[in-house]
Amino acid sequence: GESVGLHLPTLSVQEGDNSIINCAYSNSASDYFIWYKQESGKGPQFIIDIRSNMDKRQGQRVTVLLNKTVKHLSLQIAATQPGDSAVYFCAEKQANSGGGADGLTFGKGTHLIIQP
Amino acid sequence: KAGVTQTPRYLIKTRGQQVTLSCSPISGHRSVSWYQQTPGQGLQFLFEYFSETQRNKGNFPGRFSGRQFSNSRSEMNVSTLELGDSALYLCASSLGAGEEAFFGQGTRLTVV
Repeated sequence: GESVGLHLPTLSVQEGDNSIINCAYSNSASDYFIWYKQESGKGPQFIIDIRSNMDKRQGQRVTVLLNKTVKHLSLQIAATQPGDSAVYFCAEKQANSGGGADGLTFGKGTHLIIQP
Repeated sequence: KAGVTQTPRYLIKTRGQQVTLSCSPISGHRSVSWYQQTPGQGLQFLFEYFSETQRNKGNFPGRFSGRQFSNSRSEMNVSTLELGDSALYLCASSLGAGEEAFFGQGTRLTVV
């Protein structure tokens, strides 16, 4: 079936550098995408979302880019800090299903490791 | 305000038993969704409740069921437990469709 996937299971970056985490999705009917951060022993934490009528959305130190042509989603974290160390998941929902947490399809996750 | 609360945090059950997990959403949130997280399958959607009605359901066998009470608290039940049911079960709540969802810390279920 269709699913959301991530390119790398692990990404190691130097503290202070920018991080880019990628995600590919295959369901062309998806119109809502979310990035979550999950720290050890905790549930996923919402970072930022984007709808398919947008190409880019910025938050505090984070930017999400959506390329619908190639069905690619990325999360950019500026000036990576030790507290950014976590597993990052992309998730998608199908069209007309609204936001919220119901019916989300999650990718496998990328473990971001911050090197001092 | 208090976040999403899941109880218990950890649970060990024997194969064949049943288990009930509880989720208290953020005050005012009427939508509660449940997910199973395993190393092999990742996060998978189980079901979603809104105003005591199941609105959406994932691809899990009938052994997995849930319900929501009038105060929006939700429970999920797994009957005839299998070893493969060992997982972190996560609950998320939101005001409703189109609203940001907040996850609890999960219940770690181990089936032996």
